[in-house]
Order: sequence, then C-alpha cells, then structure tokens
Amino acid sequence: AQKVTQAQTEISVVEKEDVTLDCVYETRDTTYYLFWYKQPPSGELVFLIRRNSFDEQNEISGRYSWNFQKSTSSFNFTITASQVVDSAVYFCASSGGYQKVTFGIGTKLQVIP
Amino acid sequence: GAVVSQHPSWVICKSGTSVKIECRSLDFQATTMFWYRQFPKQSLMLMATSNEGSKATYEQGVEKDKFLINHASLTLSTLTVTSAHPEDSSFYICSARAGTANTGELFFGEGSRLTVL
Repeated sequence: AQKVTQAQTEISVVEKEDVTLDCVYETRDTTYYLFWYKQPPSGELVFLIRRNSFDEQNEISGRYSWNFQKSTSSFNFTITASQVVDSAVYFCASSGGYQKVTFGIGTKLQVIP
Repeated sequence: GAVVSQHPSWVICKSGTSVKIECRSLDFQATTMFWYRQFPKQSLMLMATSNEGSKATYEQGVEKDKFLINHASLTLSTLTVTSAHPEDSSFYICSARAGTANTGELFFGEGSRLTVL
C-alpha cells in the first residue's frame, strides 16, 4: 500500500518568494511512480510531473523544480519566484505496482501580491 | 494532449433521486478508468476502479450498490449515484490512464460537483 504525507496543510508566501512543498512517501513496491498535481480554485486537476522510482534525477521546468531523494523517501516541489497564479492546492501522489494512485492530503499555497 | 471530459460539471438534485456522471476519454482508449471523490478541503479518495467490459473494483467502505459504475466502452465510464442523499454531495473526479502499463500518464476530468438538497 502507498502512503503519501504532506505535512504542510497551508503555506502563504509573498509574491516572488521561493517556496518548497514537502512530500514524503511510503511504499513497499520496488517500482513506483510519484506525481505532483495542481488544483486551482476552479477545481480541475492539472498534472505537473511524474517520476519513476529508478530515476532520481532532479527536474526543472521553468519556475518549477522537483527534488527526488529515495534515501529520505521525499519528493519535494519548489516554485521559484512565486506568482499569484500559483495559488492553488498542490497534491503529491504515488502509484505502485497497481494502477491506482494514492494522494496526499494536499498543501494549499497562497501567494500574496 | 490527451483529454478526459466529464459531464455534467455541476448538478443539483433532490434527495432520493439518482444522478449519472459521465467520464469520456476523448482522444485515447482507456481500458481502465478511476473514480475519485473529494470532500471540501480534503484530498481525493479513490472510490473504484472501472474496467472496460467487466465489473468495477470498489475500495473498502464504498457501497457498490449506491455508486454504480459502468464502463461499457473504451472511451466511456459512468458513475451513477443512486438514491442520493445530502451526504453524497461532493466533487467527483474521474481519471483515465493512457496506455495499459503503469507508466501511462493519468489524465483527469474536470470534475463534477454534486449537490444533493
């Protein structure tokens, strides 16, 4: 079974600040996948990234970057130079040998202008 | 990119009625679709896994007779909330995986907000 912990329930930052959203996962699977999704106030889920357990390379996409560390079972997400449009709930999720995805509780990010 | 569409986006119904929500994969075939429920300010909880041509697999605690799932084709799965009650009011989201392997990307629908009066 998968378990995803997002210890930060709400974060507020001032625009242009950097912010890191933490995610810790638990799994017994040797092959697994980790995800980040964004849910803006409108409700739809926006896919941000998927990593598999064999690829520990960090990834950068524009202002977004992800730090995957198997040693600490963490998959943290950093937004650089945050913007008001980044305000949303961000979900970390994992998927093991089965197809279903387990979501964390989500971190609500508020970027204040 | 692949798109998953849900209909309706919003639905308000009276207690005791049944409501059907559709989930369509628009440009890919999905042998497996997933239905999630999200209560306000909470995470997404998997309700069931919908498999084309076979019975859905329900998560523990989800009443299969109340939440009827039909996956009649490779592009359509439906969730019917039978005899809806106010406690069924929630945001229902479906997802479909492109491809058959676990590596396929998950695409989510826009969600359907159900309000039961």
